[in-house]
Amino acid sequence: KAGVTQTPRYLIKTRGQQVTLSCSPISGHRSVSWYQQTPGQGLQFLFEYFSETQRNKGNFPGRFSGRQFSNSRSEMNVSTLELGDSALYLCASSWNRDINYGYTFGSGTRLTVV
Amino acid sequence: GESVGLHLPTLSVQEGDNSIINCAYSNSASDYFIWYKQESGKGPQFIIDIRSNMDKRQGQRVTVLLNKTVKHLSLQIAATQPGDSAVYFCAERDSGTYKYIFGTGTRLKVLA
Repeated sequence: KAGVTQTPRYLIKTRGQQVTLSCSPISGHRSVSWYQQTPGQGLQFLFEYFSETQRNKGNFPGRFSGRQFSNSRSEMNVSTLELGDSALYLCASSWNRDINYGYTFGSGTRLTVV
Repeated sequence: GESVGLHLPTLSVQEGDNSIINCAYSNSASDYFIWYKQESGKGPQFIIDIRSNMDKRQGQRVTVLLNKTVKHLSLQIAATQPGDSAVYFCAERDSGTYKYIFGTGTRLKVLA
């Protein structure tokens, strides 16, 4: 059974550019959440999608956005990149938010902004 | 952003000894807890979970203890091995918002 797949694994972008990251959840999982992980701040919640609808949102600026497709795959976009956006971006999937099982992470996308 | 941002503590243990990693949580509305292991350059890996109606759960070489009275969670690793070296962190899920809140983690170093 394939795990959560995130692409690309590594990305280098220039300040001011925009970037799109992709997450394919485990087959059957309909909930996808995105997190930003940095050494100083740990794991910070970005947003959660279920059945193509955003259900929860963290405290990030509007430059961070996401969407989910009908096959549950999700993308997140960061516009006007800043140096501080350099981080490991992780997505996690589960069947649904209230299921006490299987909140599984992907390996992440390492974004470096120069 | 939401986080618990503190310096990462380190626990050093001898190979073969038992390890105990602790986590304090503050949200009394949390109903589900997970321990994750994260190795360098990888995403967090699910280790073991526990619901709030339980106080102990055992897996292979790992045990999670939950003390709701003092809002404390611990992960016990038996016969610690070099492959256990990683950052371990706990996650709690709010029963109202279903948001997960993560601790900053503890770095476990296994000494040969």
